[in-house]
Amino acid sequence: SQQGEEDPQALSIQEGENATMNCSYKTSINNLQWYRQNSGRGLVHLILIRSNEREKHSGRLRVTLDTSKKSSSLLITASRAADTASYFCASANQAGTALIFGKGTTLSVSS
Amino acid sequence: DTGVSQDPRHKITKRGQNVTFRCDPISEHNRLYWYRQTLGQGPEFLTYFQNEAQLEKSRLLSDRFSAERPKGSFSTLEIQRTEQGDSAMYLCASSRGDSEAFFGQGTRLTVV
Repeated sequence: SQQGEEDPQALSIQEGENATMNCSYKTSINNLQWYRQNSGRGLVHLILIRSNEREKHSGRLRVTLDTSKKSSSLLITASRAADTASYFCASANQAGTALIFGKGTTLSVSS
Repeated sequence: DTGVSQDPRHKITKRGQNVTFRCDPISEHNRLYWYRQTLGQGPEFLTYFQNEAQLEKSRLLSDRFSAERPKGSFSTLEIQRTEQGDSAMYLCASSRGDSEAFFGQGTRLTVV
């Protein structure tokens, strides 16, 4: 089963543009995490935001969390061709159950 | 410690055979997760351990799947009587509590 749902499913942009991906989840969470996966490779952790945080930055990444709407967004600024990958959100819920992933957003950045 | 290690990286098996995969987590991590991923989909949760205790198992997991984590260190995932629908990438991850999870490169299973 998957708790999170990313939107859009696919996104195509030009280098230098910003990319925004959204994630919705169902249950109350302790934290929400974003991961990247390059084609045929393993998942790489990008950023974790806790339930008492509203915004977090890491380099060109900005994540927001709205617990009232059960949603999060990932913004990648000044995108590069190397950002081409699938991006997943994953939530760790308050019941202490497993980290559950969404279906992902496939980002294509063309030069 | 160089990260989460999975073995083998690839496995081709005939339908009906049993297979076993191994995962070695980051040593100080108490949680270990198993996921399955098919093309174009997100990782699908299978089961997870906190130390040696198996705390949760997906309802989607049939009785043909079993996982162990003896002594709270490495873990094995066994699939009995494999079916073609079991073909997928099997991912292992570990974490300290519910903090960020670190993934291995996965074991790609092909059932022919």
